[in-house]
Amino acid sequence: GDSVTQTEGPVTVSESESLIINCTYSATSIAYPNLFWYVRYPGEGLQLLLKVITAGQKGSSRGFEATYNKETTSFHLQKASVQESDSAVYYCALGEYSGGSNYKLTFGKGTLLTVTP
Amino acid sequence: GGIITQTPKFLIGQEGQKLTLKCQQNFNHDTMYWYRQDSGKGLRLIYYSITENDLQKGDLSEGYDASREKKSSFSLTVTSAQKNEMAVFLCASSIVRGDTQYFGPGTRLLVL
Repeated sequence: GDSVTQTEGPVTVSESESLIINCTYSATSIAYPNLFWYVRYPGEGLQLLLKVITAGQKGSSRGFEATYNKETTSFHLQKASVQESDSAVYYCALGEYSGGSNYKLTFGKGTLLTVTP
Repeated sequence: GGIITQTPKFLIGQEGQKLTLKCQQNFNHDTMYWYRQDSGKGLRLIYYSITENDLQKGDLSEGYDASREKKSSFSLTVTSAQKNEMAVFLCASSIVRGDTQYFGPGTRLLVL
């Protein structure tokens, strides 16, 4: 079946430093899956950070970027300079159709990021 | 914009008890989902519904029932709570299956 593997947390980074959270995936369908990064800030619900549906494209939001790399089956999340407000749990996810109209979203285990002042 | 509300926020039950979790959305989305998240694991799909009165099983449906009596609400029932069970149940909705999903804040379950 589909699987998503991401950086195992917790990850601690100092404010203004750069960040990369790795995400690699394995998809069973022959078509290219959609790729997502979701984030859960403390006390809030899970929300979409960014998504990319076309291989080779880059998604960006709130200073974060991720590029859909079909050769390496990766979708790493990067930010050049993190802020304390970026402290959250980040989830990489893969979505694809299998068996007709059956669409499935597969999540990684999540990476807890703490940004220190 | 819209919002997804889940009740209760915390749910403590006894072994063998039937427990019901509720979810409401005002996005006017057609598709709704229930996920379970255990500590250190990703989200796993329990049930989803593509329209009112429709129910589809996910990967983890055994031990659960679901109900979609209105477009805006989707309930999940734990048919027989297991002792020492602890998890967060997340409700989500999307315009159609395959579109971006919007999540509620979750219900934390603890079974004594």
